[in-house]
Amino acid sequence: AQSVSQHNHHVILSEAASLELGCNYSYGGTVNLFWYVQYPGQHLQLLLKYFSGDPLVKGIKGFEAEFIKSKFSFNLRKPSVQWSDTAEYFCAVNRRTGFQKLVFGTGTRLLVSP
Amino acid sequence: GAGVSQSPRYKVAKRGQDVALRCDPISGHVSLFWYQQALGQGPEFLTYFQNEAQLDKSGLPSDRFFAERPEGSVSTLKIQRTQQEDSAVYLCASSLDGGVSQPQHFGDGTRLSIL
Repeated sequence: AQSVSQHNHHVILSEAASLELGCNYSYGGTVNLFWYVQYPGQHLQLLLKYFSGDPLVKGIKGFEAEFIKSKFSFNLRKPSVQWSDTAEYFCAVNRRTGFQKLVFGTGTRLLVSP
Repeated sequence: GAGVSQSPRYKVAKRGQDVALRCDPISGHVSLFWYQQALGQGPEFLTYFQNEAQLDKSGLPSDRFFAERPEGSVSTLKIQRTQQEDSAVYLCASSLDGGVSQPQHFGDGTRLSIL
């Protein structure tokens, strides 16, 4: 069965600090990878996705993620965070074939202090 | 623009009562998903519809959970004889078609509390 691990449950950073959130997945086949973000009081929104091609993908608001197949990882990065990045971040995976059922990690709460 | 709409936003019920949660997907979206998000956890898949057909219900935790989408648009998730462990946020998501490249659009969820 697929599973997703997010090792950092809570992260606290100051504005302008760099961010890296870890995500590892377990699945024997080919997968699509996603990062979703949930800002306080809002619904889950897609931040970025990887299907194929360049393993370094860029998303909205200056976020990027790198797919490293050998490590089964899809870590999220941002060089300089802002207070408005305070949110919960979820890594998710689905199978490349079949329908789109997403398997989520447990999420990482990011607090950016001004 | 119109996104996925869920109602009610909050629902409090006594243990043993039946509840019904509604999801209005984005117009024209073929695929509809229900997820359950317990406190401190990520969303977990419950069931999937393509139009009116329920193609996967493997995530429903018990036979007390039932979902339908009779006309291929609005969907209802029903929980019978609620238990305290049913307390969670129930999320609905829709996507344009069944293709894996289509992103899922999530609603705000229904926060269910069972007393």
